[in-house]
Amino acid sequence: DAEITQSPRHKITETGRQVTLACHQTWNHNNMFWYRQDLGHGLRLIHYSYGVQDTNKGEVSDGYSVSRSNTEDLPLTLESAASSQTSVYFCASSETVEMSPLHFGNGTRLTVT
Amino acid sequence: GQNIDQPTEMTATEGAIVQINCTYQTSGFNGLFWYQQHAGEAPTFLSYNVLDGLEEKGRFSSFLSRSKGYSYLLLKELQMKDSASYLCAVRDSNYQLIWGAGTKLIIKP
Repeated sequence: DAEITQSPRHKITETGRQVTLACHQTWNHNNMFWYRQDLGHGLRLIHYSYGVQDTNKGEVSDGYSVSRSNTEDLPLTLESAASSQTSVYFCASSETVEMSPLHFGNGTRLTVT
Repeated sequence: GQNIDQPTEMTATEGAIVQINCTYQTSGFNGLFWYQQHAGEAPTFLSYNVLDGLEEKGRFSSFLSRSKGYSYLLLKELQMKDSASYLCAVRDSNYQLIWGAGTKLIIKP
């Protein structure tokens, strides 16, 4: 079965360190997304990609970057981790932008100390 | 600005029916989604409405009124496993998903 896998599931890092969260999907979807989820907020879009070499900023992109070198992977990098980036991060993919639902990975819980 | 409103928390009894409301104000409309999210897990897709009316899928139904900017998710014959958060999301004119903060549903025996 096709799936979307995130790693690690849990990560603790220190302020100022660079951190990369991995996302790998076997759906063969062109569209991939990174969200963060915090208590009291809806899912907030960080970055998204509609295909290889395509990346776009979402509503909360400051301090984050992504790259898309192949269809399967969209790693999310926190360039210099801050305590405000402590959150649960979800990667998702979809078949089409217009109608398809998102398929989510199991999430990465990141703590920045 | 764009906004999705849903109640923060609801409580219902096992075997009963519960309706979770969602109102939205967005720049354009290209569909509304409902997702279920159990604690510590990923959201999973429940339903999609793009035209007015009721979509039924087993114990779950979802209703949409585009003129009122309103949707609800109806859960029948509640089971303990339905205890979860329910997320409403609207696709706007740019095909971006705008998410509500979610409704935590507590089922009591």
